[in-house]
Amino acid sequence: GIQVEQSPPDLILQEGANSTLRCNFSDSVNNLQWFHQNPWGQLINLFYIPSGTKQNGRLSATTVATERYSLLYISSSQTTDSGVYFCAGVNYGGSQGNLIFGKGTKLSVKP
Amino acid sequence: DTAVSQTPKYLVTQMGNDKSIKCEQNLGHDTMYWYKQDSKKFLKIMFSYNNKELIINETVPNRFSPKSPDKAHLNLHINSLELGDSAVYFCASTGLSYNEQFFGPGTRLTVL
Repeated sequence: GIQVEQSPPDLILQEGANSTLRCNFSDSVNNLQWFHQNPWGQLINLFYIPSGTKQNGRLSATTVATERYSLLYISSSQTTDSGVYFCAGVNYGGSQGNLIFGKGTKLSVKP
Repeated sequence: DTAVSQTPKYLVTQMGNDKSIKCEQNLGHDTMYWYKQDSKKFLKIMFSYNNKELIINETVPNRFSPKSPDKAHLNLHINSLELGDSAVYFCASTGLSYNEQFFGPGTRLTVL
């Protein structure tokens, strides 16, 4: 079936630590995106990354489409990085072009 | 210069009422969506609207109806609100090739 799976579901870090979040996706999902939902509920676009590697400051992402996974790296984490990180991909099995979301990784960064 | 905007941000109402949520995008996108985020933070598609074609997720009750006066707007009207409709509703948009989607700030609906 159409699936986007994220791990770990929860992550607690000390400020300054590094982390890697993983997203596995099924064959009918593509055009991966990573979002950060901040404590105020806003969905912030982090990366649009169908394949390859992108970097933006302390964050970077890599998608290996042939192996159906994507990774989000957070380096030197800060308390403002706390929130839920979602991976989502376009469902090419349907006709809407809608995103299929994973269940998210809840990140808590402690000072 | 907000890309995707929604109003209101918060909506508190009684069971049985009818309410609307407005969405506007100034990105020139052709496709707009409504997603629902439940209490467990799970995000799921409700509707997509492209070139006047509406595609409805089969699990959405017919009390929910999207209305698009033009390409830049996709409003959500909900009739006879129920307790289970309480959630955060997100509007989103994307261009022709279904590439990157951009989301509005969300509307937190609470039905009492």
